[in-house]
Amino acid sequence: GENVEQHPSTLSVQEGDSAVIKCTYSDSASNYFPWYKQELGKRPQLIIDIRSNVGEKKDQRIAVTLNKTAKHFSLHITETQPEDSAVYFCAASEGYQKVTFGTGTKLQVIP
Amino acid sequence: DGGITQSPKYLFRKEGQNVTLSCEQNLNHDAMYWYRQDPGQGLRLIYYSQIVNDFQKGDIAEGYRVSREKKESFPLTVTSAQKNPTAFYLCASRESSGAYTGELFFGEGSRLTVL
Repeated sequence: GENVEQHPSTLSVQEGDSAVIKCTYSDSASNYFPWYKQELGKRPQLIIDIRSNVGEKKDQRIAVTLNKTAKHFSLHITETQPEDSAVYFCAASEGYQKVTFGTGTKLQVIP
Repeated sequence: DGGITQSPKYLFRKEGQNVTLSCEQNLNHDAMYWYRQDPGQGLRLIYYSQIVNDFQKGDIAEGYRVSREKKESFPLTVTSAQKNPTAFYLCASRESSGAYTGELFFGEGSRLTVL
């Protein structure tokens, strides 16, 4: 089955700096890669996703890149703000099948 | 107001007892999922269902049971066979046909504590 590894487990950055979170996956059949943000005490919510036919996707300060050959994808947050502090999860799935999550990255943005 | 409703929010159980967590959605989604969240371990898949009357084991199904008798409902039973049931349980759903977006919509979760 699919295995998703996520690094780092914790990340502290100064406000205004960039943050990068990296994930690798094992199943070459996976074709959908979402990222979820979970604020303290709240449910995870989708912030951005990418499909295997795209190499990069941007949404304001957030971007995701995908390298299918190397089976890794990354989340980039620029100009970080205190409200970006949360736990971020990457995930991978094939079509409509099960969604496998990484172990999460706790991001702390220091004002 | 559309969404996913989990109940109860908090649940305490004595060892040896089965408990059932409720998950109801009014998003008309075909697929539903149960995840367990433990500190440092991310979200681990327990069971998922792509359609009514069908479900598949996830990565940590031992000690759990599910049913999918209605499209809107996907209850999870934590049995006494689950060795370490204390955890935060999240239910989710998503489209699995048509204008497929892939996004999982999560409930607010149920925190189970075994005394």
